[in-house]
Amino acid sequence: GAGVSQSPSNKVTEKGKDVELRCDPISGHTALYWYRQSLGQGLEFLIYFQGNSAPDKSGLPSDRFSAERTGGSVSTLTIQRTQQEDSAVYLCASSLYQSTDTQYFGPGTRLTVL
Amino acid sequence: AQSVTQLDSHVSVSEGTPVLLRCNYSSSYSPSLFWYVQHPNKGLQLLLKYTSAATLVKGINGFEAEFKKSETSFHLTKPSAHMSDAAEYFCVVSGFQGAQKLVFGQGTRLTINP
Repeated sequence: GAGVSQSPSNKVTEKGKDVELRCDPISGHTALYWYRQSLGQGLEFLIYFQGNSAPDKSGLPSDRFSAERTGGSVSTLTIQRTQQEDSAVYLCASSLYQSTDTQYFGPGTRLTVL
Repeated sequence: AQSVTQLDSHVSVSEGTPVLLRCNYSSSYSPSLFWYVQHPNKGLQLLLKYTSAATLVKGINGFEAEFKKSETSFHLTKPSAHMSDAAEYFCVVSGFQGAQKLVFGQGTRLTINP
């Protein structure tokens, strides 16, 4: 079956611009996660959605970052006023119910902020 | 605070020889533990998962890991390395204090010499 998909695969933007990254989880998965992979910080958790519950935003690095999940499926990660330190690969994952279930990762979106 | 430590940032072995990638975690109880692999320019793929059913866990591609609570370790092994095993490997934990996020180690880059 189809896995987690992310778009775009690559995004180059100028400092100060806003960007939107999209994630389509595996159909039927109720949990969705965003992570960031960068050279200096490794893989970091950003935000977690579970069903209709309030998201766990504890990993978002600043208020320039936000995410939403519409209809319990597709999610969008928005970064406002991008900075060069936002350059990273943004990974989305989904799991059936909770984080102790296997998380399946998408291919990621490589963001480059010039 | 929860943490995962991968003891080697880089491991190099010859093809056909055993592989050992070391991982230690800190926790006051048994979390769920995972090993993920990331091939160059590819997404994260689950190798294996420990959830307290058995201390020796077998994964894909001949890899296995043993959970040792007394040593808080979850080392990854493979009896005979193959060239296709060259990749970045991540030890991951979840379920700390009810948290729903994955906590990643810094990764170990495995190089296979012909």
